[in-house]
Amino acid sequence: AQSVSQHNHHVILSEAASLELGCNYSYGGTVNLFWYVQYPGQHLQLLLKYFSGDPLVKGIKGFEAEFIKSKFSFNLRKPSVQWSDTAEYFCAVNAPGGGNKLTFGTGTQLKVEL
Amino acid sequence: DGGITQSPKYLFRKEGQNVTLSCEQNLNHDAMYWYRQDPGQGLRLIYYSQIVNDFQKGDIAEGYSVSREKKESFPLTVTSAQKNPTAFYLCASSKSLPYNEQFFGPGTRLTVL
Repeated sequence: AQSVSQHNHHVILSEAASLELGCNYSYGGTVNLFWYVQYPGQHLQLLLKYFSGDPLVKGIKGFEAEFIKSKFSFNLRKPSVQWSDTAEYFCAVNAPGGGNKLTFGTGTQLKVEL
Repeated sequence: DGGITQSPKYLFRKEGQNVTLSCEQNLNHDAMYWYRQDPGQGLRLIYYSQIVNDFQKGDIAEGYSVSREKKESFPLTVTSAQKNPTAFYLCASSKSLPYNEQFFGPGTRLTVL
């Protein structure tokens, strides 16, 4: 069964600091990769996704992620965080052939301080 | 506006009672999903349905049941057999394969007293 690891459970940053959240998955075949974000009191929403093509994916609100197949990784980055980026971030993987099922990581709680 | 609605937002039940959580979508999506979210554990799939009148167990289906009689609706029943039902429950939907992103509802927080 596929699994997803998010190594940083809680991250605290000051505004304007750079962000990188790690995500590793365990599946040897082709995968679809996602980052979702859950702002306080809001719906879980899609930040960005990778299906194929350019491994550097740009999403909403200045976020980007890089798919490195050899490392089974899909790390999320943002050059300069804002207080409004305070949220919980989830990495998710779908393995084609497994239906539309998503496997989520345990999440990273990001707090951005002023 | 298209979207997914879940009701109620907060639900309290006594131990030993079954409870049904509502999920409705007007996105014309074929597939629907139920997840459970617990602190530090991410989202875990309970059940999913790719098409009306068909559904499959996810990773933690024990103690739960679902039905999919209409495309728009995918209610989840938390039965008394679920040992630890207090959690945040999220419903999602997506277009059919080839794979498409899932859209999530606002969730229902269930507390069993």
